[in-house]
Amino acid sequence: KQEVTQIPAALSVPEGENLVLNCSFTDSAIYNLQWFRQDPGKGLTSLLLIQSSQREQTSGRLNASLDKSSGRSTLYIAASQPGDSATYLCAVSNTGKLIFGQGTTLQVKP
Amino acid sequence: GAGVSQTPSNKVTEKGKYVELRCDPISGHTALYWYRQSLGQGPEFLIYFQGTGAADDSGLPNDRFFAVRPEGSVSTLKIQRTERGDSAVYLCASKRGEGAYNEQFFGPGTRLTVL
Repeated sequence: KQEVTQIPAALSVPEGENLVLNCSFTDSAIYNLQWFRQDPGKGLTSLLLIQSSQREQTSGRLNASLDKSSGRSTLYIAASQPGDSATYLCAVSNTGKLIFGQGTTLQVKP
Repeated sequence: GAGVSQTPSNKVTEKGKYVELRCDPISGHTALYWYRQSLGQGPEFLIYFQGTGAADDSGLPNDRFFAVRPEGSVSTLKIQRTERGDSAVYLCASKRGEGAYNEQFFGPGTRLTVL
């Protein structure tokens, strides 16, 4: 059974810092991995999708990497801003449905 | 439509009542998913439709939960004899095509509170 773990559960950083969020999964037979952002009381916004054959994806200040063989992904956020404060979720797909981690709640302090 | 929409945004009901939650997927998306998110947790898969048929309902917790998608577009999640443990945010997502490689787009969710 696929299990997804995100570390840390919560993170607080001063504005301007670069930071890394971690995601690990137990079954490397995945089709893709998605990173989402969730603001309090809101739905999920897709940030990046990495196909199983890819190593990384970039969008603006965000860079996601995937090491399928070791069951790990990282989300790198450069030059963090207070507006980046949210919960970040990673999810893997191997049969179409997504299996989510519990998320990392990020607070960026001005 | 521009995105996935869900109605109602909030639903408060009493234990034992019946509720229906609606999802309108992005136009042209053939795959539709329902997830449930409890406070402080990641979403958990409930059921997946490809077209009109339920391709995977392995996540439905028990037979009080049922979902339909009669015309291959709008879907309704139905919960009978609601219990307090059913309180959660119910999320719907849609995806273009059958390919597992495609991105899922989520709606804003319906917050269900069972008193």
